[in-house]
Amino acid sequence: EPEVTQTPSHQVTQMGQEVILRCVPISNHLYFYWYRQILGQKVEFLVSFYNNEISEKSEIFDDQFSVERPDGSNFTLKIRSTKLEDSAMYFCASSDWERVTNEQFFGPGTRLTVL
Amino acid sequence: AQSVSQHNHHVILSEAASLELGCNYSYGGTVNLFWYVQYPGQHLQLLLKYFSGDPLVKGIKGFEAEFIKSKFSFNLRKPSVQWSDTAEYFCAVRSSSNTGKLIFGQGTTLQVKP
Repeated sequence: EPEVTQTPSHQVTQMGQEVILRCVPISNHLYFYWYRQILGQKVEFLVSFYNNEISEKSEIFDDQFSVERPDGSNFTLKIRSTKLEDSAMYFCASSDWERVTNEQFFGPGTRLTVL
Repeated sequence: AQSVSQHNHHVILSEAASLELGCNYSYGGTVNLFWYVQYPGQHLQLLLKYFSGDPLVKGIKGFEAEFIKSKFSFNLRKPSVQWSDTAEYFCAVRSSSNTGKLIFGQGTTLQVKP
């Protein structure tokens, strides 16, 4: 069964450093998402991406964040200058909007720790 | 703004006990409703979903949920839990008119004792 994959599973970085979190969505999917979950808090929507552009972003997704689909398979989330409060689990998801079911399939997550 | 509230943060049950996890949402328009499960060390998986039609929906592993529009609720139920149901459960809402973002509740940790 196809699945969403994410790398790395755990990323440790120093405050102020740039990080890139990588995701490989399911191959025939058209819509891509990033969510994050700070420890003990809700899973929060960050951004949705379709047709090579952002379709919606949350207040969390400020100028420090960017997303890209550099090739036909990867979907990346970049944090330009990490802050302590960026420490969280980051989930990528993808869906095929054309289907009535429109389920979002989630990856296993990347745990980002900012020191 | 849309929001989702899960009433139980941590539930402990013995095997064979019945389960009901509460979920209420706040949104005035048409919504799609989901329950996701995250087993220890695994990623979020869809348990069941409601889009339209019969408000009682059945999902995988014997779970079901009932959409009660008048109460803005979508409670998850299972008549008899197993140890393998130990996991975190998330209720989520999506406006049927937006780009697909999911609004999640805070999650309920279910611990089933053998």
